[in-house]
Amino acid sequence: EPEVTQTPSHQVTQMGQEVILRCVPISNHLYFYWYRQILGQKVEFLVSFYNNEISEKSEIFDDQFSVERPDGSNFTLKIRSTKLEDSAMYFCASSGQGEGYQHFGDGTRLSIL
Amino acid sequence: GENVEQHPSTLSVQEGDSAVIKCTYSDSASNYFPWYKQELGKRPQLIIDIRSNVGEKKDQRIAVTLNKTAKHFSLHITETQPEDSAVYFCAARYSGGGADGLTFGKGTHLIIQP
Repeated sequence: EPEVTQTPSHQVTQMGQEVILRCVPISNHLYFYWYRQILGQKVEFLVSFYNNEISEKSEIFDDQFSVERPDGSNFTLKIRSTKLEDSAMYFCASSGQGEGYQHFGDGTRLSIL
Repeated sequence: GENVEQHPSTLSVQEGDSAVIKCTYSDSASNYFPWYKQELGKRPQLIIDIRSNVGEKKDQRIAVTLNKTAKHFSLHITETQPEDSAVYFCAARYSGGGADGLTFGKGTHLIIQP
């Protein structure tokens, strides 16, 4: 079964540094998402992306965040100036045309020191 | 925006018994309700979903019921097994065919006692 893949699995970064999290969605999917999960808490929606532009974003997704689909396969989340509270598991997800089901990747654990 | 409440936060049942997890949502426009299972340190995995045009859906030991009037939906697991132990999240969204984000509940930690 095709899967969403994310790299790296764990990223450790100094506060104030920029970080880029990478995702390869399922190849024929059109809709892409980023979620985050702070340890022990619920999964929170950050942003969705379709047709090379942001479709929807939450209040968490402020100016320090950006997303990009630099080529036909990758989908990235950039955090410009990381804060301690950005430490979380970040999940990428994708879904196909007319499909409600969002397939999640294994996540990237981001640790800000 | 949408708000999803989930209860209980922890549920302990004897192996072989049934487990029921309940969620309510606030946005009457929401029309898609998935349930995800998350094992420790792993990705959320869809176990069952339901759309607002049906009231119940079943897949082997797992069933979901939806009451649109009450804005309430529930997950039912029968004949529970040790491998059912995990955190279960309900979610809701308006699925208009676009890239709409899921709003998750806070999760239920299901513990199956042998």
